[in-house]
Amino acid sequence: NAGVTQTPKFQVLKTGQSMTLQCAQDMNHNSMYWYRQDPGMGLRLIYYSASEGTTDKGEVPNGYNVSRLNKREFSLRLESAAPSQTSVYFCASSGVRGSNQPQHFGDGTRLSIL
Amino acid sequence: DAKTTQPPSMDCAEGRAANLPCNHSTISGNEYVYWYRQIHSQGPQYIIHGLKNNETNEMASLIITEDRKSSTLILPHATLRDTAVYYCIVRSGTASKLTFGTGTRLQVTL
Repeated sequence: NAGVTQTPKFQVLKTGQSMTLQCAQDMNHNSMYWYRQDPGMGLRLIYYSASEGTTDKGEVPNGYNVSRLNKREFSLRLESAAPSQTSVYFCASSGVRGSNQPQHFGDGTRLSIL
Repeated sequence: DAKTTQPPSMDCAEGRAANLPCNHSTISGNEYVYWYRQIHSQGPQYIIHGLKNNETNEMASLIITEDRKSSTLILPHATLRDTAVYYCIVRSGTASKLTFGTGTRLQVTL
């Protein structure tokens, strides 16, 4: 059981380039999330999707877009990458929103923008 | 979501129990206590959660005080692989995000 799978694991971009981070879960979860973690800091929520077909902004959505492609997949897109977006990006999923079910995380995508 | 307070660091000898405290004095009646850990730069790993009763699973035990203002995560027999940053998070079921503070850095030593 793979859980939450993120691709790629590492990526280097130049300022202004675009990129899509992929996330897929095989736990039949309804909700999915994108977080970023900067050095020495906690995770901050970028966007989330409570169910297939819905997306909502989190704490730090500027510069990002998301797509809930289907129940399994939730992608994060950087349209014009900036050095401030250098970070580790984590995708997570959980069961029905409004329940106490925990979020489960992928291993992250380490993104550097030069 | 209620704010939590954890010690910045703790040490534990391998094979001994690690007891990690967390204060959440402003917790609301519908908020759960969750524990996660992050080993090096891996993704956060869910450990355990509870509302008001003590909980135990294959990884750890969670002890919540009767007034629910504090809790303790217990790793019964710590190993070197338990060295990580441990996060105590209080969250209601309707909340979308998990708010990660700075956590407790647990160092397990020989």
